[in-house]
Amino acid sequence: SQQGEEDPQALSIQEGENATMNCSYKTSINNLQWYRQNSGRGLVHLILIRSNEREKHSGRLRVTLDTSKKSSSLLITASRAADTASYFCATDANYGQNFVFGPGTRLSVLP
Amino acid sequence: DTAVSQTPKYLVTQMGNDKSIKCEQNLGHDTMYWYKQDSKKFLKIMFSYNNKELIINETVPNRFSPKSPDKAHLNLHINSLELGDSAVYFCASSLTGGNTEAFFGQGTRLTVV
Repeated sequence: SQQGEEDPQALSIQEGENATMNCSYKTSINNLQWYRQNSGRGLVHLILIRSNEREKHSGRLRVTLDTSKKSSSLLITASRAADTASYFCATDANYGQNFVFGPGTRLSVLP
Repeated sequence: DTAVSQTPKYLVTQMGNDKSIKCEQNLGHDTMYWYKQDSKKFLKIMFSYNNKELIINETVPNRFSPKSPDKAHLNLHINSLELGDSAVYFCASSLTGGNTEAFFGQGTRLTVV
């Protein structure tokens, strides 16, 4: 079964706007990761946040983690058309043996 | 150099056939995975191997048989292909399981007709 659930399922914004995607999960985790998937391509790792961290930045990306609410958010600031992709959150599972992915958020950034 | 490479990229085959997908990683990672992505983009773990040993087999029909000749390779063989097997299959690797970032191959789009 899916561990993470992203929200919204799809998001359409104008270039330059900020995009926020949320992820909720069900069980305790050691870490949460965000990945990007461009159409027809494999997933690319964006950022990993550990359960004892609350916020992490990487360039235009900001990830927050609230373990009390079992949720995380990914903020992309000053979005660009090249940010158009599907974004997935993933949590560790099976005692850290693998990742479980949410259904993803499809982001469209319009020029 | 491609970190995780899988071949072929596209595979179209008839029902009942047997096919294989190959995967290789040159990152020195201990753990490799096969994920299946369906038409709705859901990614589901199929198998996980650590140092050539099977760690996870997630309710996958036994028509699917992974093989890891060494820790840099994880191949997937599928017998008696069915229409429902049509999907994109991704190979991935990570340094040490689910607590480190994963690197994904480009995917193999399997179409069973």
